[in-house]
Amino acid sequence: GQSLEQPSEVTAVEGAIVQINCTYQTSGFYGLSWYQQHDGGAPTFLSYNALDGLEETGRFSSFLSRSDSYGYLLLQELQMKDSASYFCAANTDKLIFGTGTRLQVFP
Amino acid sequence: DTGVSQDPRHKITKRGQNVTFRCDPISEHNRLYWYRQTLGQGPEFLTYFQNEAQLEKSRLLSDRFSAERPKGSFSTLEIQRTEQGDSAMYLCASSSGQGYGYTFGSGTRLTVV
Repeated sequence: GQSLEQPSEVTAVEGAIVQINCTYQTSGFYGLSWYQQHDGGAPTFLSYNALDGLEETGRFSSFLSRSDSYGYLLLQELQMKDSASYFCAANTDKLIFGTGTRLQVFP
Repeated sequence: DTGVSQDPRHKITKRGQNVTFRCDPISEHNRLYWYRQTLGQGPEFLTYFQNEAQLEKSRLLSDRFSAERPKGSFSTLEIQRTEQGDSAMYLCASSSGQGYGYTFGSGTRLTVV
């Protein structure tokens, strides 16, 4: 089967940098995506890696290493509004979501 | 275009009743997906359409679940003879099929009592 594992919870303070890891056991996917979901809200697209390496989008960066079956999302200059759940997802003909990480940002 | 719309936002139903949800995708998007999400979990794939064709259905989806996209625009998801285990958020998403980003609706929260 296909599975993507993430830490269940991460905490950090405003202004800090946090890394959310995603390890996977899947193959044949086009790339790895990251989504943010606030409580009661819709998942919203953050970042995508088709190739190995780092992709930077403002305060958010995402990394993929297919040889290590590993990716991460890096959030810089954390703000209170970044408190949310974050999901990695493998892009195939559909999205296969990871287990999700709840990020809590404290003042 | 105001994004992906789902209706209703909330549905409370008694066990054994049938329910139907509607999803209106972004008009230019030819792919439409249904997911189910329970508290603290990632969205779980149910089924997807390309235009009006249903291309894949999850093996986890029981025969009580059926989805349609009759004209390749909006889609409906019906659950027959609902069970308490069906209580979840049902999310719809659409994509152009060319890129990698999916746009999700705000979901329909189903509570079976």
